[in-house]
Amino acid sequence: EVQLVESGGGLVQPGGSLRLSCAASGFTFSKYWMHWVRQAPGKGLVWVSRINKDGSGTSHADSVKGRFTISRDNAKNTLYLQMNSLRVEDTAVYYCAREGDDDSGYLKDWGQGTVVTVSS
Amino acid sequence: DIQMTQSPSTLSASVGDRVTITCRASQSISDWLAWYQQKPGKAPKLLIYKASSLESGVPSRFSGSGSGTEFTLTISSLQPDDSATYYCQQYNSYSTFGQGTKLVIK
Repeated sequence: EVQLVESGGGLVQPGGSLRLSCAASGFTFSKYWMHWVRQAPGKGLVWVSRINKDGSGTSHADSVKGRFTISRDNAKNTLYLQMNSLRVEDTAVYYCAREGDDDSGYLKDWGQGTVVTVSS
Repeated sequence: DIQMTQSPSTLSASVGDRVTITCRASQSISDWLAWYQQKPGKAPKLLIYKASSLESGVPSRFSGSGSGTEFTLTISSLQPDDSATYYCQQYNSYSTFGQGTKLVIK
């Protein structure tokens, strides 16, 4: 059974940093592209970042470019999101997600999410 | 950036109704489109990928169609468990979600 378990969320002041983790199990982690998607309270889904299978290629949404960094450790089956210079508008549930088998970009499996609150 | 626009934003229908949700892309995305269902407090669930391919385990009353810039998600006979918010996602160029359609059972 595929499992994606996010952790690392919490309350942080504006300008602060957090690192989110996503522990993967039940599949060969190194064979899949991975993504982060967020959802602000009462709002819709917003794509944040993606990373290729070996970690050599990443992409980020314009709203987080230069502040967030996605990475992975295939030996530890873990995905990360380093979030710096956090803003109030970054407050959201952050989901990690696994792409489908054909590398095409749809998100087949999702974690339960971790809550990030940016507030003074 | 590719923008995705869903309609309607809210939809109210009765059990047994046929329901259609539309998603329009700001430029052609071929058939690189997925649909997700999300219930309150839960993670999204994949329903449809590549515009019309039904994800394993998803009831056959769900179907998707379209290509280019216009796509539809159809529920052939609405069930009480289908009350949820539905999102489309383009993955032709990076990724963008529609704003969501909230489906309420009358």
